[in-house]
Amino acid sequence: GAVVSQHPSWVICKSGTSVKIECRSLDFQATTMFWYRQFPKQSLMLMATSNEGSKATYEQGVEKDKFLINHASLTLSTLTVTSAHPEDSSFYICSAEDANEADTQYFGPGTRLTVL
Amino acid sequence: AQSVSQHNHHVILSEAASLELGCNYSYGGTVNLFWYVQYPGQHLQLLLKYFSGDPLVKGIKGFEAEFIKSKFSFNLRKPSVQWSDTAEYFCAVNAMDSSYKLIFGSGTRLLVRP
Repeated sequence: GAVVSQHPSWVICKSGTSVKIECRSLDFQATTMFWYRQFPKQSLMLMATSNEGSKATYEQGVEKDKFLINHASLTLSTLTVTSAHPEDSSFYICSAEDANEADTQYFGPGTRLTVL
Repeated sequence: AQSVSQHNHHVILSEAASLELGCNYSYGGTVNLFWYVQYPGQHLQLLLKYFSGDPLVKGIKGFEAEFIKSKFSFNLRKPSVQWSDTAEYFCAVNAMDSSYKLIFGSGTRLLVRP
Protein backbone atom coordinates (compact mmCIF):
# COMPACT_ATOMS: atom_id res chain seq x y z
CA GLY A 1 0.00 0.00 0.00
CA ALA A 2 0.80 3.72 0.11
CA VAL A 3 2.05 4.01 -3.45
CA VAL A 4 2.52 7.39 -5.07
CA SER A 5 3.20 7.77 -8.77
CA GLN A 6 4.49 10.69 -10.80
CA HIS A 7 4.25 11.35 -14.48
CA PRO A 8 6.34 11.94 -16.44
CA SER A 9 9.48 10.51 -14.89
CA TRP A 10 11.58 12.85 -16.97
CA VAL A 11 10.94 15.69 -19.38
CA ILE A 12 13.04 17.94 -21.56
CA CYS A 13 11.56 21.19 -22.75
CA LYS A 14 12.55 24.43 -24.42
CA SER A 15 12.96 27.63 -22.47
CA GLY A 16 9.70 29.56 -22.28
CA THR A 17 7.39 26.56 -22.47
CA SER A 18 5.25 25.14 -19.68
CA VAL A 19 5.47 21.67 -18.24
CA LYS A 20 2.86 19.83 -16.19
CA ILE A 21 3.80 17.12 -13.70
CA GLU A 22 1.19 14.81 -12.22
CA CYS A 23 1.24 13.20 -8.81
CA ARG A 24 -1.19 10.43 -7.96
CA SER A 25 -1.86 8.43 -4.83
CA LEU A 26 -2.68 5.00 -6.20
CA ASP A 27 -4.18 3.12 -3.29
CA PHE A 28 -5.19 5.74 -0.76
CA GLN A 29 -6.84 9.10 -0.52
CA ALA A 30 -4.62 12.06 0.09
CA THR A 31 -6.17 15.21 1.43
CA THR A 32 -2.74 16.78 1.46
CA MET A 33 0.04 16.50 -1.09
CA PHE A 34 3.42 18.16 -1.05
CA TRP A 35 5.82 19.28 -3.76
CA TYR A 36 9.54 19.25 -3.18
CA ARG A 37 12.56 20.17 -5.22
CA GLN A 38 15.84 18.35 -4.90
CA PHE A 39 19.06 19.85 -6.17
CA PRO A 40 22.02 17.60 -6.99
CA LYS A 41 23.63 16.15 -3.89
CA GLN A 42 21.29 18.13 -1.68
CA SER A 43 18.26 17.36 0.39
CA LEU A 44 14.62 17.94 -0.42
CA MET A 45 13.28 21.46 -0.16
CA LEU A 46 9.57 21.90 0.33
CA MET A 47 8.04 24.12 -2.35
CA ALA A 48 4.38 24.01 -1.49
CA THR A 49 1.62 22.18 0.31
CA SER A 50 -1.41 21.25 -1.69
CA ASN A 51 -4.76 20.63 -0.08
CA GLU A 52 -7.62 19.10 -2.00
CA GLY A 53 -10.17 21.67 -3.00
CA SER A 54 -8.25 24.70 -1.80
CA LYS A 55 -5.35 26.89 -2.80
CA ALA A 56 -1.84 25.64 -2.28
CA THR A 57 0.38 27.12 0.38
CA TYR A 58 3.76 28.13 -0.98
CA GLU A 59 7.00 28.32 0.92
CA GLN A 60 8.89 31.57 1.15
CA GLY A 61 10.78 32.29 -2.04
CA VAL A 62 8.66 30.04 -4.26
CA GLU A 63 6.80 31.95 -6.95
CA LYS A 64 3.19 30.82 -6.98
CA ASP A 65 2.60 32.22 -10.46
CA LYS A 66 5.52 30.23 -11.82
CA PHE A 67 4.77 26.97 -10.07
CA LEU A 68 1.04 26.43 -10.42
CA ILE A 69 -0.41 23.72 -8.23
CA ASN A 70 -3.82 22.16 -8.59
CA HIS A 71 -5.21 19.50 -6.27
CA ALA A 72 -8.48 18.67 -7.96
CA SER A 73 -9.20 15.34 -6.33
CA LEU A 74 -8.18 13.23 -3.38
CA THR A 75 -5.78 11.25 -5.55
CA LEU A 76 -4.32 13.81 -7.94
CA SER A 77 -2.21 16.93 -7.66
CA THR A 78 -0.49 18.66 -10.54
CA LEU A 79 2.48 21.02 -10.66
CA THR A 80 2.83 23.20 -13.73
CA VAL A 81 6.12 24.96 -14.28
CA THR A 82 5.19 27.96 -16.38
CA SER A 83 7.56 29.73 -18.76
CA ALA A 84 10.34 27.40 -17.77
CA HIS A 85 13.93 28.58 -17.73
CA PRO A 86 17.16 26.60 -17.44
CA GLU A 87 17.42 27.46 -13.75
CA ASP A 88 14.16 25.57 -13.22
CA SER A 89 15.93 22.37 -14.24
CA SER A 90 15.75 20.11 -11.22
CA PHE A 91 14.31 16.98 -9.71
CA TYR A 92 10.73 17.54 -8.57
CA ILE A 93 9.28 15.12 -6.04
CA CYS A 94 5.76 14.91 -4.72
CA SER A 95 4.49 13.24 -1.61
CA ALA A 96 1.06 12.43 -0.31
CA GLU A 97 -0.28 12.12 3.18
CA ASP A 98 -2.69 9.29 3.74
CA ALA A 99 -5.89 10.65 5.25
CA ASN A 100 -5.91 7.64 7.59
CA GLU A 101 -2.27 7.98 8.63
CA ALA A 102 -1.72 11.53 9.76
CA ASP A 103 1.69 13.15 9.57
CA THR A 104 3.23 10.43 7.42
CA GLN A 105 4.18 11.26 3.85
CA TYR A 106 4.70 8.76 1.05
CA PHE A 107 6.86 9.87 -1.82
CA GLY A 108 6.62 9.58 -5.56
CA PRO A 109 9.57 8.58 -7.73
CA GLY A 110 10.26 12.12 -8.86
CA THR A 111 10.36 13.92 -12.20
CA ARG A 112 13.61 15.07 -13.76
CA LEU A 113 13.00 18.37 -15.57
CA THR A 114 15.61 19.68 -17.99
CA VAL A 115 15.01 23.06 -19.58
CA LEU A 116 17.13 23.80 -22.62
CA ALA B 1 18.10 28.47 12.85
CA GLN B 2 16.00 25.44 13.48
CA SER B 3 17.21 22.51 11.46
CA VAL B 4 17.87 18.82 11.05
CA SER B 5 21.52 17.78 10.98
CA GLN B 6 23.07 14.64 9.63
CA HIS B 7 26.74 14.86 10.37
CA ASN B 8 27.91 11.92 8.31
CA HIS B 9 27.67 12.79 4.64
CA HIS B 10 29.35 9.65 3.39
CA VAL B 11 29.79 6.32 5.14
CA ILE B 12 31.59 3.30 3.75
CA LEU B 13 31.25 -0.06 5.47
CA SER B 14 31.99 -3.67 4.74
CA GLU B 15 29.20 -6.21 4.80
CA ALA B 16 28.29 -7.43 8.28
CA ALA B 17 29.60 -4.26 9.91
CA SER B 18 27.33 -2.38 12.28
CA LEU B 19 25.80 0.90 11.24
CA GLU B 20 24.87 4.01 13.14
CA LEU B 21 23.85 7.19 11.35
CA GLY B 22 23.46 10.32 13.39
CA CYS B 23 20.54 12.70 13.26
CA ASN B 24 20.07 15.76 15.46
CA TYR B 25 17.32 18.33 15.34
CA SER B 26 16.86 21.67 16.94
CA TYR B 27 13.10 21.93 17.30
CA GLY B 28 11.53 22.18 20.71
CA GLY B 29 8.25 20.77 21.83
CA THR B 30 6.49 17.86 20.26
CA VAL B 31 8.29 16.31 17.30
CA ASN B 32 7.60 13.50 14.91
CA LEU B 33 10.73 11.82 13.58
CA PHE B 34 11.33 9.84 10.43
CA TRP B 35 14.03 8.02 8.56
CA TYR B 36 13.64 7.61 4.81
CA VAL B 37 15.87 5.63 2.45
CA GLN B 38 16.48 6.25 -1.23
CA TYR B 39 18.01 3.32 -3.08
CA PRO B 40 19.86 4.11 -6.31
CA GLY B 41 17.39 5.12 -8.97
CA GLN B 42 14.40 4.70 -6.69
CA HIS B 43 12.09 6.95 -4.73
CA LEU B 44 12.16 7.77 -1.05
CA GLN B 45 10.80 5.00 1.11
CA LEU B 46 9.80 5.23 4.75
CA LEU B 47 12.09 3.13 6.95
CA LEU B 48 10.60 3.96 10.30
CA LYS B 49 8.97 6.70 12.28
CA TYR B 50 8.54 7.83 15.85
CA PHE B 51 5.56 9.75 17.15
CA SER B 52 5.34 8.73 20.80
CA GLY B 53 5.75 5.79 23.14
CA ASP B 54 8.76 3.47 23.20
CA PRO B 55 11.73 5.59 22.11
CA LEU B 56 13.32 2.58 20.44
CA VAL B 57 11.58 2.15 17.12
CA LYS B 58 11.95 -0.82 14.85
CA GLY B 59 11.50 -0.40 11.12
CA ILE B 60 11.74 -2.43 7.98
CA LYS B 61 14.78 -4.38 6.81
CA GLY B 62 16.27 -4.73 10.30
CA PHE B 63 16.69 -1.02 10.94
CA GLU B 64 15.94 0.62 14.24
CA ALA B 65 16.25 4.11 15.65
CA GLU B 66 16.37 5.52 19.14
CA PHE B 67 14.81 8.81 20.15
CA ILE B 68 16.81 10.49 22.89
CA LYS B 69 14.90 13.59 23.83
CA SER B 70 17.62 15.07 26.04
CA LYS B 71 20.08 14.90 23.16
CA PHE B 72 17.61 15.96 20.45
CA SER B 73 18.75 12.90 18.54
CA PHE B 74 17.20 10.13 16.49
CA ASN B 75 20.06 7.93 15.34
CA LEU B 76 19.52 5.10 12.90
CA ARG B 77 21.13 1.72 13.56
CA LYS B 78 21.49 -1.67 12.00
CA PRO B 79 23.60 -4.39 13.62
CA SER B 80 24.81 -6.00 10.40
CA VAL B 81 24.60 -4.24 7.03
CA GLN B 82 24.28 -5.89 3.66
CA TRP B 83 25.43 -4.80 0.24
CA SER B 84 21.78 -4.11 -0.60
CA ASP B 85 21.68 -1.42 2.08
CA THR B 86 23.75 0.82 -0.18
CA ALA B 87 21.57 3.91 -0.46
CA GLU B 88 21.07 7.45 0.73
CA TYR B 89 19.43 7.87 4.10
CA PHE B 90 17.47 10.94 5.11
CA CYS B 91 16.38 11.92 8.58
CA ALA B 92 13.29 14.13 8.70
CA VAL B 93 11.35 15.92 11.39
CA ASN B 94 8.03 17.62 11.61
CA ALA B 95 7.26 19.69 14.62
CA MET B 96 4.89 22.27 15.93
CA ASP B 97 7.76 24.76 15.58
CA SER B 98 7.94 23.99 11.86
CA SER B 99 4.18 24.18 11.44
CA TYR B 100 4.39 20.43 11.02
CA LYS B 101 6.19 20.74 7.70
CA LEU B 102 8.57 17.89 7.04
CA ILE B 103 12.12 19.18 7.30
CA PHE B 104 14.86 16.97 5.91
CA GLY B 105 18.45 16.53 6.87
CA SER B 106 21.08 16.73 4.16
CA GLY B 107 21.27 12.96 3.80
CA THR B 108 23.96 10.33 4.33
CA ARG B 109 25.25 8.25 1.46
CA LEU B 110 26.01 4.72 2.60
CA LEU B 111 28.18 2.44 0.53
CA VAL B 112 28.41 -1.16 1.65
CA ARG B 113 31.25 -3.10 0.14
CA PRO B 114 30.66 -6.80 -0.47
